[in-house]
Amino acid sequence: ELKVEQNPLFLSMQEGKNYTIYCNYSTTSDRLYWYRQDPGKSLESLFVLLSNGAVKQEGRLMASLDTKARLSTLHITAAVHDLSATYFCAAPMEYGNKLVFGAGTILRVKS
Amino acid sequence: DTGVSQNPRHKITKRGQNVTFRCDPISEHNRLYWYRQTLGQGPEFLTYFQNEAQLEKSRLLSDRFSAERPKGSFSTLEIQRTEQGDSAMYLCASSSTSGGDYNEQFFGPGTRLTVL
Repeated sequence: ELKVEQNPLFLSMQEGKNYTIYCNYSTTSDRLYWYRQDPGKSLESLFVLLSNGAVKQEGRLMASLDTKARLSTLHITAAVHDLSATYFCAAPMEYGNKLVFGAGTILRVKS
Repeated sequence: DTGVSQNPRHKITKRGQNVTFRCDPISEHNRLYWYRQTLGQGPEFLTYFQNEAQLEKSRLLSDRFSAERPKGSFSTLEIQRTEQGDSAMYLCASSSTSGGDYNEQFFGPGTRLTVL
C-alpha cells in the first residue's frame, strides 16, 4: 500500500529565511506532485515532477525528485508572507493515477 | 474553459437526508476523480471515472455513496442517509490521459458538506 509522509507538519518561518519540506513515499513511483492549499480553498497545482532527478522552480519555490530514495523536497528561498499556506505532496498509485496525499505541511511566514 | 467547477459550494443538511453534488470537469479531460478531505488532513481518494466508466471505488466509499458520470461529461456524487461523519470537503479533479504532463489532476473548488 502506497503511503506518503511529509515533514514537518507545521513550519513557522521568519520572512527572508530558507527552509525545506520533505516528502517520502513508500513504493516505487516515477512521478510526484506538489499542491498548495489556502484556508477554505481548493488545491492549486504547483509542480509536476515526472522523472528521477527532476527539478522545477517557480519564484521562491523549488521542487526536486529522487525516485531511488523515494524522496521529494520543496525548498523555500527567502520566504515571504504570501507563501503562508498548506503544502501537500502526492504520489500516484500505479493503476489509474489515483493520488495518495501526505498530511500536508502548514507553513506560516512571520514578518 | 475556466477549469473544474463544482456545485454547490456549500451544503448544510440534517442527518439522514440525501445530498447530491455535481462536478463539471475541464471539457477535454477524460478522467474524473472524487476525493474527500477532512479538516487537517490531505485529500483521500474515493472513486474515479475514465469517460463514462467508473473504474475504481475506494473502500472508503460505503454503499451509501454512489457516483455517476453519464455520457462521460459531468459527474454526480450522491450520499444517502447522511451521517455526521460525512462532513467534509468533497473535491473533484479531472485529467487527461494524453498530453505532456501525463495525468496531472486539476482540482475544482470543492463542496463543503456539513451534516447536523
